[in-house]
Amino acid sequence: GENVEQHPSTLSVQEGDSAVIKCTYSDSASNYFPWYKQELGKRPQLIIDIRSNVGEKKDQRIAVTLNKTAKHFSLHITETQPEDSAVYFCARYDTGRRALTFGSGTRLQVQP
Amino acid sequence: DSGVTQTPKHLITATGQRVTLRCSPRSGDLSVYWYQQSLDQGLQFLIQYYNGEERAKGNILERFSAQQFPDLHSELNLSSLELGDSALYFCASSAQESSYNEQFFGPGTRLTVL
Repeated sequence: GENVEQHPSTLSVQEGDSAVIKCTYSDSASNYFPWYKQELGKRPQLIIDIRSNVGEKKDQRIAVTLNKTAKHFSLHITETQPEDSAVYFCARYDTGRRALTFGSGTRLQVQP
Repeated sequence: DSGVTQTPKHLITATGQRVTLRCSPRSGDLSVYWYQQSLDQGLQFLIQYYNGEERAKGNILERFSAQQFPDLHSELNLSSLELGDSALYFCASSAQESSYNEQFFGPGTRLTVL
């Protein structure tokens, strides 16, 4: 019940296209789902998060959707730009461990 | 710049040795988290301290230990180092006790064990 499965592991899109990254989990006690972006050689930074009492949250070109019944959540990036190229990590808050469990990451490459 | 500092930036050592990694949280943050990121791997949670007390423990080996001092800086001690301990070690901080909130990451310490 600890793992978060993240897909795909790599994603290449053309500038202007949309990108979608999906994560699944099995622990129904999870109630907080952040997404972190890590540019090459830099620190992870939070880009968006969602709590279990909502199904969708948007912030400009970025949105996250949560389906608690199916136990999956997704990151949607629209109108992708070269500066969106990075590794994206999903995570869930494990109420039992009282800690974040991260997915294995998705390397997004936006081709100009 | 997140306001979280880590030293050193790079550390090269030999198997069997012991090292100490240091982290200073953002001003006002009481929680410090330690993570290990191996090559092409995700972030593995090691341990969390809140206001000097251990609050949560993850996949931290018995050879590893940590503490948080009264001035809130934290140290991660790694002993009897093995080749597989080579990784990027991040610390993060947050204002709240729970990791149910944004964490601010430091720049990381890259540890190479030869």
